[in-house]
Amino acid sequence: KAGVTQTPRYLIKTRGQQVTLSCSPISGHRSVSWYQQTPGQGLQFLFEYFSETQRNKGNFPGRFSGRQFSNSRSEMNVSTLELGDSALYLCASSGSSSGGNTIYFGEGSWLTVV
Amino acid sequence: EDQVTQSPEALRLQEGESSSLNCSYTVSGLRGLFWYRQDPGKGPEFLFTLYSAGEEKEKERLKATLTKKESFLHITAPKPEDSATYLCAVQVAAGNKLTFGGGTRVLVKP
Repeated sequence: KAGVTQTPRYLIKTRGQQVTLSCSPISGHRSVSWYQQTPGQGLQFLFEYFSETQRNKGNFPGRFSGRQFSNSRSEMNVSTLELGDSALYLCASSGSSSGGNTIYFGEGSWLTVV
Repeated sequence: EDQVTQSPEALRLQEGESSSLNCSYTVSGLRGLFWYRQDPGKGPEFLFTLYSAGEEKEKERLKATLTKKESFLHITAPKPEDSATYLCAVQVAAGNKLTFGGGTRVLVKP
């Protein structure tokens, strides 16, 4: 059974550009969450989607957005990139709508903003 | 506000030297407490989920326990391959949002 797949694995962008990251959850999972991991702040929750609807959102500026498609695949977008957006972006999927199930992470997308 | 604190921040062990990692939490209504292992450059690998005080789970050399205020991850007779960062996280509200602690970096020397 394939795990959570994130693409691309590595990317370098310039300040002011935008970036789109993709996540394919485990087959059958309908909940997808996104996290940002940095050395200084650790793992921080960005947002969660379930059945194409955003139902939880973290404390990040509006430059960070996401969406989920009918096949449960998800994308997150960061516009007007800043140097501080350099981080590992992680996607997680779960087969449960809320609790009582395991939450699995992908290997992440490493974003470097120069 | 939900808070999760892990201690110590770093732990150096000799191979075979058992130890425990602590995860203390202050939340309003715990739905689940998760433990993950993360190797450098990789995503977190799921270890355990605990749901109620008194619950214990084991996997190889790892054992996780839960009380009403904290969780412990016991590493028994660790090997160098147990070197990693161990993360704990809590799930409180409806949905699958996790709030993470800062992690404990474990180094096991042969």
